[in-house]
Amino acid sequence: KNEVEQSPQNLTAQEGEFITINCSYSVGISALHWLQQHPGGGIVSLFMLSSGKKKHGRLIATINIQEKHSSLHITASHPRDSAVYICAVSRDTGNQFYFGTGTSLTVIP
Amino acid sequence: EPEVTQTPSHQVTQMGQEVILRCVPISNHLYFYWYRQILGQKVEFLVSFYNNEISEKSEIFDDQFSVERPDGSNFTLKIRSTKLEDSAMYFCASRTGMSDTQYFGPGTRLTVL
Repeated sequence: KNEVEQSPQNLTAQEGEFITINCSYSVGISALHWLQQHPGGGIVSLFMLSSGKKKHGRLIATINIQEKHSSLHITASHPRDSAVYICAVSRDTGNQFYFGTGTSLTVIP
Repeated sequence: EPEVTQTPSHQVTQMGQEVILRCVPISNHLYFYWYRQILGQKVEFLVSFYNNEISEKSEIFDDQFSVERPDGSNFTLKIRSTKLEDSAMYFCASRTGMSDTQYFGPGTRLTVL
């Protein structure tokens, strides 16, 4: 069973486009996390959300707790944004992450 | 900025051999995790560790696996008798007690031949 579902699996965009990646989850959570995984494999935490919206530079993350849905938006996309974006949830404070399968984003110049 | 480090970056071993993957979490962090990612698949939880004991483990974390924090800085994952299906990227992560945000190491790619 997949506690976390992401869409799309793959996404190709032209530089400058507005990008949206979606995440749905089926379990109660304490927080939702957006992570970025670069081609070398390293994982970096982008956002942790338990409600509302967060913004960091060109990245915006939103969550709707009632609908169990989150979105990650990238404005004015750039080739350096090319990476795998992973949605993960933590179910109780301090517990393990449950990961989505990731969205592979390629931004073409 | 403090970061989680892992060694080695790549380990190649023969099936049946023991391997130890090493991690140095961020120094003031209290909670430690091991995850793995088989090539082309999603990241999966293996084990969490707090206060010198395992707090949670997954079905993957069977008797072949063990974790240890031997000296207050290193956090190790041992696989006693590796199988071909243990080939994966293994990530260590840590966090403080104040936030759910986990900080990931760069990973160790384990190849079992």
